[in-house]
Amino acid sequence: EPEVTQTPSHQVTQMGQEVILRCVPISNHLYFYWYRQILGQKVEFLVSFYNNEISEKSEIFDDQFSVERPDGSNFTLKIRSTKLEDSAMYFCASIRANYGYTFGSGTRLTVV
Amino acid sequence: GNSVTQMEGPVTLSEEAFLTINCTYTATGYPSLFWYVQYPGEGLQLLLKATKADDKGSNKGFEATYRKETTSFHLEKGSVQVSDSAVYFCALNQRASGNTGKLIFGQGTTLQVKP
Repeated sequence: EPEVTQTPSHQVTQMGQEVILRCVPISNHLYFYWYRQILGQKVEFLVSFYNNEISEKSEIFDDQFSVERPDGSNFTLKIRSTKLEDSAMYFCASIRANYGYTFGSGTRLTVV
Repeated sequence: GNSVTQMEGPVTLSEEAFLTINCTYTATGYPSLFWYVQYPGEGLQLLLKATKADDKGSNKGFEATYRKETTSFHLEKGSVQVSDSAVYFCALNQRASGNTGKLIFGQGTTLQVKP
């Protein structure tokens, strides 16, 4: 069964550093998403991406965040200057219209 | 705004017990409703869904019925197994088709099933 692949599974970074979280969505999917889950809290929507542009973003997704689909296969989330409160599990998801979401296994980001 | 509320966990049951995890929602219009499951160390997997009132979603012995009158989508299973131990998330999608829009999640309920 096709999978959404996320790398790395765990990343530790120092506060103020830039991080890039990587995702490879399912190849024929058209819509891409990032969600995050702070430990013990809800899974929260960050951003959706379609046709090479952001289609919706949440209040969390401020100027420190950006997304990119640089080469037609990868879908990346960049955090420019990480803060302690960015520590969370980040999930990538993709869907094709009329089918459900497929989520990746997540990247656990720890900011120290 | 739209929101989903789940019962607090953890829920601890013995094998073969009956499971109910409550989920209620607040939304305008006619959202689609979902249950996702997260096994330890894995991503979120769709367990079941319902896209309109009175629909029943079912999968792997789990069921949930979309109740518009009570704005609920409670998850049930008649006889749980140790392998059902996981975190369960209720979610809604504002778009009636259930496709392409963002998901709004509840806080998750941890289920522990003991042999």
